[in-house]
Amino acid sequence: AQSVTQPDIHITVSEGASLELRCNYSYGATPYLFWYVQSPGQGLQLLLKYFSGDTLVQGIKGFEAEFKRSQSSFNLRKPSVHWSDAAEYFCAVGSYNTDKLIFGTGTRLQVFP
Amino acid sequence: DTGVSQDPRHKITKRGQNVTFRCDPISEHNRLYWYRQTLGQGPEFLTYFQNEAQLEKSRLLSDRFSAERPKGSFSTLEIQRTEQGDSAMYLCASSLGRSHNEQFFGPGTRLTVL
Repeated sequence: AQSVTQPDIHITVSEGASLELRCNYSYGATPYLFWYVQSPGQGLQLLLKYFSGDTLVQGIKGFEAEFKRSQSSFNLRKPSVHWSDAAEYFCAVGSYNTDKLIFGTGTRLQVFP
Repeated sequence: DTGVSQDPRHKITKRGQNVTFRCDPISEHNRLYWYRQTLGQGPEFLTYFQNEAQLEKSRLLSDRFSAERPKGSFSTLEIQRTEQGDSAMYLCASSLGRSHNEQFFGPGTRLTVL
């Protein structure tokens, strides 16, 4: 069965510091991978996605993620965090065979000035 | 493009009552999804439609839950005989085409069952 693990429930960083949010997935076939961000009172917004090609994908708001098949990982990174990046981040997996997304439990990012 | 809209945004009901939520997808999107999100968890898939056809339902969707998309546009999710365990955020999303395409999410309907 498909599953997604986000090991870090809560991360705190200082503004301007670099960020890496971890995501590991379990799926037998080639996965489609997504990172979404959810701010309080807002809907989920897509940051980036991977489904083929270059394993390093660029997204909105300066985020990037790297697909590593050997490690079953799709970690999200940002070189310099802004206070407005404070939110909940969800990794999700889908596939060609199904249109539903399987989400991880999320990582809450807190940014200190 | 006004995005995905959901109504109501909040619903408080008493246990045993029926509730119905509405989702209006982005107009040209043929796929519509319902998810449920409880506190501290990620969204969990409930069901999805391609046009008016309901193509997949999760085991989470008990007999008390029913979803429709009668004309392939808006969708409704009804919960009959609500239970306290139904308290959650109900999210709707829509997409154009297949699985690697972005699902656009609405703001959700927060249900509280007393």
